[in-house]
Amino acid sequence: EDQVTQSPEALRLQEGESSSLNCSYTVSGLRGLFWYRQDPGKGPEFLFTLYSAGEEKEKERLKATLTKKESFLHITAPKPEDSATYLCAVRSGSEKLVFGKGTKLTVNP
Amino acid sequence: GAGVSQTPSNKVTEKGKYVELRCDPISGHTALYWYRQSLGQGPEFLIYFQGTGAADDSGLPNDRFFAVRPEGSVSTLKIQRTERGDSAVYLCASSLTRGEGYTFGSGTRLTVV
Repeated sequence: EDQVTQSPEALRLQEGESSSLNCSYTVSGLRGLFWYRQDPGKGPEFLFTLYSAGEEKEKERLKATLTKKESFLHITAPKPEDSATYLCAVRSGSEKLVFGKGTKLTVNP
Repeated sequence: GAGVSQTPSNKVTEKGKYVELRCDPISGHTALYWYRQSLGQGPEFLIYFQGTGAADDSGLPNDRFFAVRPEGSVSTLKIQRTERGDSAVYLCASSLTRGEGYTFGSGTRLTVV
């Protein structure tokens, strides 16, 4: 059974303080690892898809990386508007995504 | 439309009642997904449509849950004999093709009292 574990559950940063979120996974044949951002009362917003170990993708202050067992979402010089819950998900043999519980990020001004 | 639209945004119903939740996907998106999200949890897969057919309904928890997409566009998730444990946010998502990242709607918050 596919499993996704995200850590930490919650993270507080000061504005400009860079950090990383972790997503550990076990799947039988990875067909994509997805990162989403979710604001309160909203649906998840797609950020990145990674397909193979060594792959990296960037968007503004966010950079996602992938190894054979985990993915990291690096946040460089975060701003208060980066505060949200970040969700990681994997897809293996079917079209469904298996999500982790998320990391709630708070960036204080 | 510009995004995935879900109606109603909030629904309060009594235990034992029947409810229908509607999803309007992005125009032209052939793949449609339903997920359920409980407080503090990630979304949990319910069902996936490719066109009009349910390609994977393995996430539906029991036979009280049913979903349709008769014309390959709008989808309705139907829950019979609701229970308090059905309370959650029901999310719909769509994508242009299989395999790409989805676009989610804002969800329907269902509360069973």
